[in-house]
Amino acid sequence: GAVVSQHPSWVICKSGTSVKIECRSLDFQATTMFWYRQFPKQSLMLMATSNEGSKATYEQGVEKDKFLINHASLTLSTLTVTSAHPEDSSFYICSARTFSYNEQFFGPGTRLTVL
Amino acid sequence: GENVEQHPSTLSVQEGDSAVIKCTYSDSASNYFPWYKQELGKGPQLIIDIRSNVGEKKDQRIAVTLNKTAKHFSLHITETQPEDSAVYFCAARPNRDDKIIFGKGTRLHILP
Repeated sequence: GAVVSQHPSWVICKSGTSVKIECRSLDFQATTMFWYRQFPKQSLMLMATSNEGSKATYEQGVEKDKFLINHASLTLSTLTVTSAHPEDSSFYICSARTFSYNEQFFGPGTRLTVL
Repeated sequence: GENVEQHPSTLSVQEGDSAVIKCTYSDSASNYFPWYKQELGKGPQLIIDIRSNVGEKKDQRIAVTLNKTAKHFSLHITETQPEDSAVYFCAARPNRDDKIIFGKGTRLHILP
């Protein structure tokens, strides 16, 4: 099946710093990538959708200046959490879909802890 | 927009017995219904999906049924094993380009 990787798998940073998370589709070209956030014992919350070469579409309530998304190629999308604060601590999961597939494949997630 | 309700939130089943998780959706235009399994600290994994032109789909011990009229779909796991313990999410998507809407998840415990 299609494989999506994320890096890093976990990161700890100080408040006020920026953190970049990479999402890669390893064996297929992802025309669309999604970024989710998940708090403990809760469902996945969609943050934004990005199509290759286009600006990301953010969900209501998600600050686009705080969560910068870049989908520069068909295999790579990045999420940058700018000026991170403790309340940004969460499990961030990316997902990718190719035009020819109906399925959406998820990465393993990145655990962000902001001190 | 689409809304997906999932029940129960927690389910405990004796090993070897069957488990059933039920979901309802609100948007009659939804035509794709995936199920995901999420183990602790990992991303969701697609385990089975069904499209609106099919009423039932099976893959070994896992089956999904869809009732379009009632807007219900269910996940059935037979002969449950300890490794089936996880959180299961149902989801629905109105069409190819729309986002997937997730249910709130069911925490499945397989009791020895």
